[in-house]
Amino acid sequence: DTGVSQNPRHKITKRGQNVTFRCDPISEHNRLYWYRQTLGQGPEFLTYFQNEAQLEKSRLLSDRFSAERPKGSFSTLEIQRTEQGDSAMYLCASSAPGRPRSEQYFGPGTRLTVT
Amino acid sequence: TQLLEQSPQFLSIQEGENLTVYCNSSSVFSSLQWYRQEPGEGPVLLVTVVTGGEVKKLKRLTFQFGDARKDSSLHITAAQTGDTGLYLCAGDGGGADGLTFGKGTHLIIQP
Repeated sequence: DTGVSQNPRHKITKRGQNVTFRCDPISEHNRLYWYRQTLGQGPEFLTYFQNEAQLEKSRLLSDRFSAERPKGSFSTLEIQRTEQGDSAMYLCASSAPGRPRSEQYFGPGTRLTVT
Repeated sequence: TQLLEQSPQFLSIQEGENLTVYCNSSSVFSSLQWYRQEPGEGPVLLVTVVTGGEVKKLKRLTFQFGDARKDSSLHITAAQTGDTGLYLCAGDGGGADGLTFGKGTHLIIQP
């Protein structure tokens, strides 16, 4: 069990550019979540996958955001035409079948800075 | 919208002292989690409580879930400098939209 991994750990981009982040969940965890965390706040839910199906999307997830989990393993989160307000820590979490879905294990996050 | 209020927001105490931090809501949660987060890292799960009145212990940390499943507390006995961090509570409201997090308690344990 190597834990949830996220890449890159840090990303600096200019406003208007597209960025893509990757999350590799704990193996055999069928549920995968994306959250966003800004300074001084707790994480805020963005979207949720069960296997390859995207089951829920928060209203925080604007049309510029898209997430995929094509084979039910790793997931990607893409932000198009980035804005300065997108600067935040993007966190991925996974949970195991047979365990409460709330028992989520988080990765180290990707820190995005939009200049 | 389900909200979780954590108090205090900031707490700085001396090593060896005891402390309690709180997580309160007007909503009922099917379960509640406590996480600890260090700067630049993701939250690390400490405990899940699911039954009203439940008490769980993790070494010097004692977690309690309120009888009505609306609130929780975290008590640390004989705090150590390694306990320094951001303590987050998170609740599962039973819907499909992930966990609802509080803003956290920033805890500093001074040597």
